[in-house]
Parts: sequence; structure tokens; C-alpha cells
Amino acid sequence: AQTVTQSQPEMSVQEAETVTLSCTYDTSESNYYLFWYKQPPSRQMILVIRQEAYKQQNATENRFSVNFQKAAKSFSLKISDSQLGDTAMYFCAFDEGGSEKLVFGKGTKLTVNP
Amino acid sequence: EAGVAQSPRYKIIEKRQSVAFWCNPISGHATLYWYQQILGQGPKLLIQFQNNGVVDDSQLPKDRFSAERLKGVDSTLKIQPAKLEDSAVYLCASSLLAGWVEQYFGPGTRLTVT
Repeated sequence: AQTVTQSQPEMSVQEAETVTLSCTYDTSESNYYLFWYKQPPSRQMILVIRQEAYKQQNATENRFSVNFQKAAKSFSLKISDSQLGDTAMYFCAFDEGGSEKLVFGKGTKLTVNP
Repeated sequence: EAGVAQSPRYKIIEKRQSVAFWCNPISGHATLYWYQQILGQGPKLLIQFQNNGVVDDSQLPKDRFSAERLKGVDSTLKIQPAKLEDSAVYLCASSLLAGWVEQYFGPGTRLTVT
């Protein structure tokens, strides 16, 4: 079974600084998708960024970027210029071969301090 | 475009009672998912519908949980009878069509079983 591991239960960062959240996963497949979702206290899961395994280039969305290391099965999220609104739970998720079945990690609680 | 709607937002019941949750996906989205998110964990897929047919219900505790998606639009998830360990947030998500990896989540229903 596929597993997703987020080893940092909680992290904090000062406003305007940069923070990196870690994620590792386990799969024997070569075709898959990886996602970072944000879940604020309102509970609504919001897609932050996604990465297709066949793409070597790391995905970027404004202040959010990933470091995708396929051989190491690592998928970290970097948040630059952190804002107070970035305070939330962040979940790493895995979708094997477009199966549409997301497997989530346990999440990292990020707090951005003023 | 309206997002995924869920109701109620909160529900408190006693063990052995029954409860039902409702989900209205984004208009035109063929695929609908129900997830269970226990406190401190990532969401876990319970059931996946494609139009009004079940694609995957392998993780649905069928002795007490049931779900339906009549006419391929709205969906209801029912628990009968509820147990203490069913306390969780129940998230509904939808995606445009089969093989479309991006899922859009609703705000969830927080269930407390006492």
C-alpha cells in the first residue's frame, strides 16, 4: 500500500520568512501525482500545488514551490515570504497513476507569527 | 462557479443513533468522493462515485455506513448506528471526470458522537 509520511507535526515561521515542509512517500510505480493541500481552520481543503512524476521540472505557484526528488521519493513544499494567512494544516497527498484515489499524510501544522 | 456544498456543518449525536450528511458537488463534476478525517490525521477515502455508480467502496465500513448518489448529482452518506470512533470530519470532494486528478473539497461536516 502506498504511504505518505510527513515527519514534522508542527512548524512555525516568522512573517515574511521562508519555510520548508517535508514529505516522503512510498510507491513502486513510476507514474503518479503529488499534491500539497492547505486546510485552514475553516476545514476546507485547498489545493496549493501539484507535481506530475514524469515532469523533472519542479512546480511553482507564486510563493509556493516544491522540491521533487523522485529517486529519494521526497516532495517538500517551500513557502516564501510567509504571510499570516498561510497559517493552516498542510497535507501532502499522493495519487498513483491518476487512479483518483488520494492518499494523505498526517499533516503539518504551520503557524506564521507576526 | 459555486464550490462543493455540504450540510450540516456540525452534528452532535449519541452513540447508536443515526446521522446523514449531504453533499452537492460542483455542477458538471462526474466524480464524487467521501472522506473521513479523524482528528490529527489526513483524510481517508471512504467511497468514490462515478456519476451514480460506485467505483470504490473498499474502505467503507458497510455494516454501519451507506452512501448513495441518486441521479449522479447530490450524494448522502449515512451512519447507522453511530459509534464513538465515528467522530470525525466528513469531507466531500468532486472532480470533473474520470482521470481528472484535481479534486475540489467542500467545507466538511464535523460529527461528534457522545
